[in-house]
Amino acid sequence: DTEVTQTPKHLVMGMTNKKSLKCEQHMGHRAMYWYKQKAKKPPELMFVYSYEKLSINESVPSRFSPECPNSSLLNLHLHALQPEDSALYLCASSDTGLLLRTGELFFGEGSRLTVL
Amino acid sequence: GDSVTQMEGPVTLSEEAFLTINCTYTATGYPSLFWYVQYPGEGLQLLLKATKADDKGSNKGFEATYRKETTSFHLEKGSVQVSDSAVYFCALSRRIQGAQKLVFGQGTRLTINP
Repeated sequence: DTEVTQTPKHLVMGMTNKKSLKCEQHMGHRAMYWYKQKAKKPPELMFVYSYEKLSINESVPSRFSPECPNSSLLNLHLHALQPEDSALYLCASSDTGLLLRTGELFFGEGSRLTVL
Repeated sequence: GDSVTQMEGPVTLSEEAFLTINCTYTATGYPSLFWYVQYPGEGLQLLLKATKADDKGSNKGFEATYRKETTSFHLEKGSVQVSDSAVYFCALSRRIQGAQKLVFGQGTRLTINP
């Protein structure tokens, strides 16, 4: 199984709502990532978890709150978002690089978020 | 710091034409290099990869060779199809804090006309 599964595929929310994006992988990867992608741009790294601990936060506003409940699951909790936060949110996973692997990331299909 | 530069798009070709998308990188050491493809409305899929100098990655008729001397990883395909229409991202990977950090180029939008 080389899939990263993201739910929901589409989400529309108001600026006062609280919602969550979910991501799951069963490849035994111990690094998981959240990326944000705006139209016609490359993905931008938001957060990295390594062995279920937050290892990188790319200065993301606190209205985005990541959570890694176990090695297979990654959540992104959303609260008080702004319309400019509308984007495609991509989850990815990889090995941690401690073994001699290629550094490949496996991406999910993404959750397309619209903030009204 | 690390960076990746891709040729500006969009690129429009006719079916069966030859494709080249240029990619150059700036990095210390020997990062792994990748081409990812993003079809409309989808996430990123790995197209091909190379982990050391002179390695050639290939998949679905696409090829790219890791050239250390020119710091390049150009994507080529001999005969493109309409189904190849997508956005292509060149990227390098660096191990960082127990994970892999991908540095992407800006992406090249490719449209193939029948």
